[in-house]
Amino acid sequence: DQQVKQNSPSLSVQEGRISILNCDYTNSMFDYFLWYKKYPAEGPTFLISISSIKDKNEDGRFTVFLNKSAKHLSLHIVPSQPGDSAVYFCAASSGAGGTSYGKLTFGQGTILTVHP
Amino acid sequence: SQTIHQWPATLVQPVGSPLSLECTVEGTSNPNLYWYRQAAGRGLQLLFYSVGIGQISSEVPQNLSASRPQDRQFILSSKKLLLSDSGFYLCAMAPTVSGNTIYFGEGSWLTVV
Repeated sequence: DQQVKQNSPSLSVQEGRISILNCDYTNSMFDYFLWYKKYPAEGPTFLISISSIKDKNEDGRFTVFLNKSAKHLSLHIVPSQPGDSAVYFCAASSGAGGTSYGKLTFGQGTILTVHP
Repeated sequence: SQTIHQWPATLVQPVGSPLSLECTVEGTSNPNLYWYRQAAGRGLQLLFYSVGIGQISSEVPQNLSASRPQDRQFILSSKKLLLSDSGFYLCAMAPTVSGNTIYFGEGSWLTVV
């Protein structure tokens, strides 16, 4: 059962435009969400996160939006740059406390290509 | 700042041979440690996690095992590799004092032939 889904395997955008990456989840116990960026043959790099008590978190060109009622989150990159081309993973956690131990459940990833 | 070292970076092993991937972390104490695997065309799957020395939890049944002999050392092993063990293996850590964010090492490419 895929608890975190990224339904778009790939996305192609023009440099300077907005990139919107989407992610859906099914487990209502998830309360912390993260986005990672990954280049081939490298470990994922943490980008941005959001707690379920918020609906938006912004860091420079990156903004994450959370819609809890729809169990949906998205990552907006504005403006997009060619260096943003990578695989983007969303991930979810049910908290660092209790028995979750910070374990993350990942989506399948979306390949973003930004054209000059 | 925390750093994660993982080796070897690439490995080609015959079916039936043993495996040992090592991971060490620096800059933090008593981290939670994780082994993830990315199989071809798939997302990241959690294999093992550890909240302390000698404490290992397995998330999926498989041909692999993990050990944590020291606070900042995490080892992934197999006695006999299968073709299906091929993939990109990632060690990760979560500093227990800073919440949920997990940080990843550079990864190890394992090809079983």
